[in-house]
Amino acid sequence: QKEVEQNSGPLSVPEGAIASLNCTYSDRGSQSFFWYRQYSGKSPELIMSIYSNGDKEDGRFTAQLNKASQYVSLLIRDSQPSDSATYLCAVAPEYGNKLVFGAGTILRVKS
Amino acid sequence: ETGVTQTPRHLVMGMTNKKSLKCEQHLGHNAMYWYKQSAKKPLELMFVYNFKEQTENNSVPSRFSPECPNSSHLFLHLHTLQPEDSALYLCASSPGYEQFFGPGTRLTVL
Repeated sequence: QKEVEQNSGPLSVPEGAIASLNCTYSDRGSQSFFWYRQYSGKSPELIMSIYSNGDKEDGRFTAQLNKASQYVSLLIRDSQPSDSATYLCAVAPEYGNKLVFGAGTILRVKS
Repeated sequence: ETGVTQTPRHLVMGMTNKKSLKCEQHLGHNAMYWYKQSAKKPLELMFVYNFKEQTENNSVPSRFSPECPNSSHLFLHLHTLQPEDSALYLCASSPGYEQFFGPGTRLTVL
């Protein structure tokens, strides 16, 4: 059973702080990793993808991947109340084109 | 229209009704997916289609019947549903691994 684990939260951070969201996965052969943002009552929106070890930055978002530790994270700098949402980690197994999703972490940014 | 669209956006049905959900993608992707998302639960993959062929059925009850007439359209036919089937039904499409979701259909079964 391939699994993706996330802390359900809620993670509460003050406005302007850095929010750090973490995800671990069980399939060591996984090659592709994604972060989705889902606002309440809406569908998931792809915000970051990462394929190789290290950091990938896009605006206020940084994805970090460590395949040896089977760990992927998302950092949100200068957090805004509009960042309050559930963040889903998704991992593509070594074979096939379906994603395994974590249960999501609820982020609350307080102004 | 661009992206992934789903109709209807909201649906209320009785347990004896038959209805269909429709998904259409304008992205040229070859894979399409149905997911179920219940309140406070993670996404549940239901079906996967690649090049119009069903490649995954995740032990979904037969009261849910998918149909994929071409790579751009995906349907989910519903009949004799149960109240516990009330959920947000999401369609997604993909060129490879990245999946792009439609807005979803909020289904309520009375």
